[in-house]
Amino acid sequence: TQLLEQSPQFLSIQEGENLTVYCNSSSVFSSLQWYRQEPGEGPVLLVTVVTGGEVKKLKRLTFQFGDARKDSSLHITAAQPGDTGLYLCAGEGAGNNRKLIWGLGTSLAVNP
Amino acid sequence: ETGVTQTPRHLVMGMTNKKSLKCEQHLGHNAMYWYKQSAKKPLELMFVYSLEERVENNSVPSRFSPECPNSSHLFLHLHTLQPEDSALYLCASSQDGTGGGRLEKLFFGSGTQLSVL
Repeated sequence: TQLLEQSPQFLSIQEGENLTVYCNSSSVFSSLQWYRQEPGEGPVLLVTVVTGGEVKKLKRLTFQFGDARKDSSLHITAAQPGDTGLYLCAGEGAGNNRKLIWGLGTSLAVNP
Repeated sequence: ETGVTQTPRHLVMGMTNKKSLKCEQHLGHNAMYWYKQSAKKPLELMFVYSLEERVENNSVPSRFSPECPNSSHLFLHLHTLQPEDSALYLCASSQDGTGGGRLEKLFFGSGTQLSVL
């Protein structure tokens, strides 16, 4: 069974700080997605990474896919209160199994 | 309206009630999904419809009954639910029904927060 572990589970920081959250598995994924879910809303796709070692940037957010395509990280620079939310990663199975495997998420609170 | 719209946003029901959740997508997509989001559990895919045909049913109890009358509308009919069914029920849509991933994006609605008493 493929599992995705996200860490930390909760994170509370001050505005302006930097942070990194992680998504780890022992399984290989053909792609990995990061979503942000704000309170009272559904998840919104932020990025999809496909190639091992790939780095993608979205304004202050930097996403990296591990070389072996088993893990990923999300780094936020100078966090803003608007970054508050639940960050979910979802891995797409390799080979014929293309189902999305979801992590439990990292709940981030950025305090003004 | 744009995107994926779910109604109601909140629902409280007794174990003997019958209720329905509604989802409508305005994106011209061919596939729609029901997900369950519970505390301390990953998102659980319940049902997938592609071109109005159910293509996936992930061992969901029969007290949950989906209906997809056309590619823009999806319902989840609920009856004799249990307290452990309390959760956020999310509807999503995508272009072709491959379930999200590198080939297509999933677009989620805001969800229905369901409480079963």
